[in-house]
Amino acid sequence: NAGVMQNPRHLVRRRGQEARLRCSPMKGHSHVYWYRQLPEEGLKFMVYLQKENIIDESGMPKERFSAEFPKEGPSILRIQQVVRGDSAAYFCASSPRGSSTDTQYFGPGTRLTVL
Amino acid sequence: DAKTTQPPSMDCAEGRAANLPCNHSTISGNEYVYWYRQIHSQGPQYIIHGLKNNETNEMASLIITEDRKSSTLILPHATLRDTAVYYCIVRVELGANNLFFGTGTRLTVIP
Repeated sequence: NAGVMQNPRHLVRRRGQEARLRCSPMKGHSHVYWYRQLPEEGLKFMVYLQKENIIDESGMPKERFSAEFPKEGPSILRIQQVVRGDSAAYFCASSPRGSSTDTQYFGPGTRLTVL
Repeated sequence: DAKTTQPPSMDCAEGRAANLPCNHSTISGNEYVYWYRQIHSQGPQYIIHGLKNNETNEMASLIITEDRKSSTLILPHATLRDTAVYYCIVRVELGANNLFFGTGTRLTVIP
C-alpha cells in the first residue's frame, strides 16, 4: 500500500521562475494538506483541499502561491516568481475523510532551493 | 485547540524506555492528543493518539492522566533510529483540520 508520494524530491529554481510541486495522496484518501517548513523551524499549515475544492487556505501567502486538487491526478502547489525566502521543505499529507481528528499521513517532502 | 508544552530536548540510552512528557493543561473534553515525530528532515510520521484512555500500538504507548492535563509518550525500547523531534498536538473534534506543530522535543538516543 503506497504512502503519500511527492515529486520532485528536490527542486532548484532561479529567482523569478515558477515552481510546481506535486502530491499524490494515499490510495482511498480524498483530502490533501500542504505544509511548509522553513530551515530550522516547525511545519506550518498552508492549505487544505478536497477533490476540486479548496476548503481552507488560511495559511497560504496571499500572492504568488496557489493550490489545486483536480478530479484526476495529483494535487499541485504552484509558486510563481519564486524568491529566496521560498526556499523550504514542502510537505503534503493526506487523510481518508475530512474530520478534524482524522489522522494525516505525510509524504517525504519536496525541498525547494531558490538561487 | 489547546496549547501544548514540551521540553525542548531529552536524551535516552539505547535499549531503555524513552518517556516524553507533554503538558496540555487547557485541554477540553472533546480534544484528542496526537503524537507525531520527524526524523531529520523527513516527513512527519504519525505515532499514536488518544482521548481519555491509555493507548498502545506497535510503536509506542500513550499515557494520559486522569484529569487529561498532561500525557506521556513511551517508546519502550529506544533505538538509534528513534532519534527525532517529537510533537505533541491537541486536536478538537469538529475543529480546524490543520495540524499545529509547535517546537516539539528533540530526542537523542545515545548508544
